[in-house]
Amino acid sequence: DQQVKQNSPSLSVQEGRISILNCDYTNSMFDYFLWYKKYPAEGPTFLISISSIKDKNEDGRFTVFLNKSAKHLSLHIVPSQPGDSAVYFCAARNSGGSNYKLTFGKGTLLTVNP
Amino acid sequence: KAGVTQTPRYLIKTRGQQVTLSCSPISGHRSVSWYQQTPGQGLQFLFEYFSETQRNKGNFPGRFSGRQFSNSRSEMNVSTLELGDSALYLCASSFPAGGKETQYFGPGTRLLVL
Repeated sequence: DQQVKQNSPSLSVQEGRISILNCDYTNSMFDYFLWYKKYPAEGPTFLISISSIKDKNEDGRFTVFLNKSAKHLSLHIVPSQPGDSAVYFCAARNSGGSNYKLTFGKGTLLTVNP
Repeated sequence: KAGVTQTPRYLIKTRGQQVTLSCSPISGHRSVSWYQQTPGQGLQFLFEYFSETQRNKGNFPGRFSGRQFSNSRSEMNVSTLELGDSALYLCASSFPAGGKETQYFGPGTRLLVL
């Protein structure tokens, strides 16, 4: 039962263009969402988060959009840079619950071509 | 502030052996979570500790156990290793934030079981 899904295993984008990474969730109790970036042989690095009381959060080149009715979120990277090439994980949790774990998607490999 | 540290970084064991992995959280963080990452499975939650108490446990067999010390450092132990236990084991720490904690990950311990 995969509660967080990243349906695109990989995405290739040209440098300077927009990268859009998508994530869907099925658990309606999830109300806090995070994006992580992971390089090989390193741990995931936190990028940006969003609470369900918002539908957008920006941090520099990174913007996360949340569509609660569709149970869908997306991460936009503008402009994309070759250093952004990594695996991106979407994660979710129920902030009001007693379960403190994050539920992760399986990741999307982003390749930004120079 | 120093990040999350994990030791050892790499480990090779044989089937049937046991292994202990160590994690030192970011100073001031009292919650430590452990995840297993395998190809195709993403990050799977193992367990979470707060103030030396296990608060949550994922769907892993009893061969996987952990503990947390009074200084918030944590260890996880895997007994009777199986080939399928080969994975990257990630530790993450967080500071209480009313359910909206951001988990910060260490670099991981790469375990290979032969």
